[in-house]
Amino acid sequence: DQQVKQNSPSLSVQEGRISILNCDYTNSMFDYFLWYKKYPAEGPTFLISISSIKDKNEDGRFTVFLNKSAKHLSLHIVPSQPGDSAVYFCAASARYGNKLVFGAGTILRVKS
Amino acid sequence: EAQVTQNPRYLITVTGKKLTVTCSQNMNHEYMSWYRQDPGLGLRQIYYSMNVEVTDKGDVPEGYKVSRKEKRNFPLILESPSPNQTSLYFCASWGNYEQFFGPGTRLTVL
Repeated sequence: DQQVKQNSPSLSVQEGRISILNCDYTNSMFDYFLWYKKYPAEGPTFLISISSIKDKNEDGRFTVFLNKSAKHLSLHIVPSQPGDSAVYFCAASARYGNKLVFGAGTILRVKS
Repeated sequence: EAQVTQNPRYLITVTGKKLTVTCSQNMNHEYMSWYRQDPGLGLRQIYYSMNVEVTDKGDVPEGYKVSRKEKRNFPLILESPSPNQTSLYFCASWGNYEQFFGPGTRLTVL
């Protein structure tokens, strides 16, 4: 039973446009959500996070939106750059420091 | 530089031969975890530790052991590896509301 789902295995976007990556979760106990970016042959690197007391968090070109009623979060990248091409993982936790549950990942390709 | 290190980075072994993958962090984090990454399944947690001598099972603990005798180290032990443990393994430590991952260990069990 996948508690965190990323239903799009891949996404292709033109450079300069917006990339929107989506993530759905089923466990209502999750209260902390993170996005990670992963390049081949490297470990995932933290991108941005949001706690359940917020519905939006921004960091430069990256914005995460949380819709608790729909159990849905999304990552917006504006403008998209070729260097953003990577696998993006959504993750959720029921308690800070407790186990993280990851989605299967979405491959983002930004075309120049 | 803050980092999580893992060794070895690549390992090919045979069924039943005990192995240990080491993990070390220099950030004084209390929380550490091991994950495996498999195609289409994302990262699944194997074990995690909330502090020295405190460990707990994650989602896929079968066939693995861990220990946390010191805060900085969290080795992953495969007592009798099997081919279904062929995977990419990541160690991570948690602090400041984000998890830091090691570079990964690609394990092949023949």
